[in-house]
Amino acid sequence: AQSVTQPDIHITVSEGASLELRCNYSYGATPYLFWYVQSPGQGLQLLLKYFSGDTLVQGIKGFEAEFKRSQSSFNLRKPSVHWSDAAEYFCAVGAGSNFGNEKLTFGTGTRLTIIP
Amino acid sequence: DARVTQTPRHKVTEMGQEVTMRCQPILGHNTVFWYRQTMMQGLELLAYFRNRAPLDDSGMPKDRFSAEMPDATLATLKIQPSEPRDSAVYFCASGLSEKLFFGSGTQLSVL
Repeated sequence: AQSVTQPDIHITVSEGASLELRCNYSYGATPYLFWYVQSPGQGLQLLLKYFSGDTLVQGIKGFEAEFKRSQSSFNLRKPSVHWSDAAEYFCAVGAGSNFGNEKLTFGTGTRLTIIP
Repeated sequence: DARVTQTPRHKVTEMGQEVTMRCQPILGHNTVFWYRQTMMQGLELLAYFRNRAPLDDSGMPKDRFSAEMPDATLATLKIQPSEPRDSAVYFCASGLSEKLFFGSGTQLSVL
């Protein structure tokens, strides 16, 4: 069975500082990997996804993530955070049809707080 | 912008009452998902449909929950009877191929 681990429950970063959110997955084959962001009272919004090819993927809002098969990781990064980046971030692994969307397993999330 | 619409946004009800949550998927999307989010369990897939046919509802308590798609523009999730442990945020998502979009959710409180 597939699983996702986000080891950091809560991270606090100063505005303008760099950010890295950790994600480790477990899956038998090459996974479909996703990062979603959830603002308070809102649904999840896709930041970026990895299906195949280049292991460094670019997403919206200046985020990027790197797939490292040897470490079973898909960490999310941003070089300089903005106050509007404060939210909950979810890593997910997918399998099955529609590029993994039909069997998504989410991590428990990392809450990001930005301080001035 | 196309979006997934969920109603109601908030619902407070008493234990034992029937609750119906509705979702209007994005036009043209062929898959619809129901997720439940709680602090303890995180995001759990309850059920999903492809081309209106139910494909997997193994995540759903069968005795009290039911999910249907009476037509391509409407998906419903019903709880009867509701219990306090059903209190959660229920999300609908619709998708086509690699695209997947979530609604803003229905926050359900069962007293």
